Formats: sequence, C-alpha cells, structure tokens
Amino acid sequence: EAQVTQNPRYLITVTGKKLTVTCSQNMNHEYMSWYRQDPGLGLRQIYYSMNVEVTDKGDVPEGYKVSRKEKRNFPLILESPSPNQTSLYFCASRLRGEETQYFGPGTRLLVL
Amino acid sequence: QQQVKQSPQSLIVQKGGISIINCAYENTAFDYFPWYQQFPGKGPALLIAIRPDVSEKKEGRFTISFNKSAKQFSLHIMDSQPGDSATYFCAAIYNFNKFYFGSGTKLNVKP
Repeated sequence: EAQVTQNPRYLITVTGKKLTVTCSQNMNHEYMSWYRQDPGLGLRQIYYSMNVEVTDKGDVPEGYKVSRKEKRNFPLILESPSPNQTSLYFCASRLRGEETQYFGPGTRLLVL
Repeated sequence: QQQVKQSPQSLIVQKGGISIINCAYENTAFDYFPWYQQFPGKGPALLIAIRPDVSEKKEGRFTISFNKSAKQFSLHIMDSQPGDSATYFCAAIYNFNKFYFGSGTKLNVKP
C-alpha cells in the first residue's frame, strides 16, 4: 500500500531533550515536506526537500533540523525542544511535477 | 503574518445547500492554489487545485473560482452532504515547493 508513515504518533517529552520524528514514504517521491498544525493558524511549512541531499527552509524553520540521506526518509529533528513546539506535525510527499501531496497520519507532540 | 487569509473560521450548512469558503492572498508570485480536506485524526488530502491562469475549475460537486485581479479564490461545495463535514484549508504555492496554508474552515453539514 502506497503510504507515508510517521513515528511516533504521540510523544510527550521535556524541554531540552533532543528528539527525532521519523517520516518514510514508499512511493519513490522526490519531494518531501514537514508541517506543523496549530489551532487558528492552519498548517505551516517547516522544511522541505526536493530530492536526496537537497533541503530548504519553509515558513517556520527555527528550532528544527532535517536531513535527506535517502529518498524514502525525511526525519525531523528537534535538538532542544521548547513548549512552543507543542503541536501536531505532518510529513508529506509528492512526485515531482505532480499536483497531489500525500500526507502522513500526523505526530502529536507535547513538550513540557 | 499570514500569507493566505481564509474565512469563515466555521460554517454550518443544511444538507443540499451550498458551502462557500473564501481565501485571499497578496503575493502575486504564487503559482498554484490547492484546497485540502481534513477529517478528524487524519492528514489533509488534496481536494481540487487551480492555476492562476484559469478562472474556474470544477470537479464533481466541488468548484474553485479564481479572481486574479482581486487576489481571491473560493471553494464552492454544491449539494453539500453530511459526509462533507470536515476542515477545509486553502493554500498557495510559491515556486511549486513552498506551501502557505490558510487558517482553515470547519464545515458542519446538518442532515
């Protein structure tokens, strides 16, 4: 089944404790992206990647890191999480030149 | 600063009615305008999209109207059904890579 998977789905952590949210797609998509969703703000793009080893900042990249060492994986790294990074995070992917962006199921993060 | 402004925040429509959601943008460099539908507990899913050189696009009961001079676009859901109850997001894309979403509209279609 073609899909985007994210792990973990739920995470509670404390301020300053490094964490990684993984994202993987099995559709051979070149483009992958991370978003955060907050009430009243919609989705905001954090980082995106157009292909392996090619990443760029989205609208709200501060406090996040990404890497794209393999085509299928695009992990989101929070080196020192803070409470304002409490949010619902979505990973997405699409084929270059295609309209449809496929979203993962989301990761709900709570930073205490 | 929100690049794409969406209204209303919530909408209640009777079954069979027309649901209309509006979005406005400022950056004329945006090159693509999709609408996404999101059900509770799920990720957004592409519903319909339009390029700025087209004034209207229809897919089934869903229509996008695009007014380039006014920098506005809207989603019309004809014959709204309870199964359409979801949150809808408009978006604008820059350079086909950078996405800017509206704040969302929660639609409730009453039976």
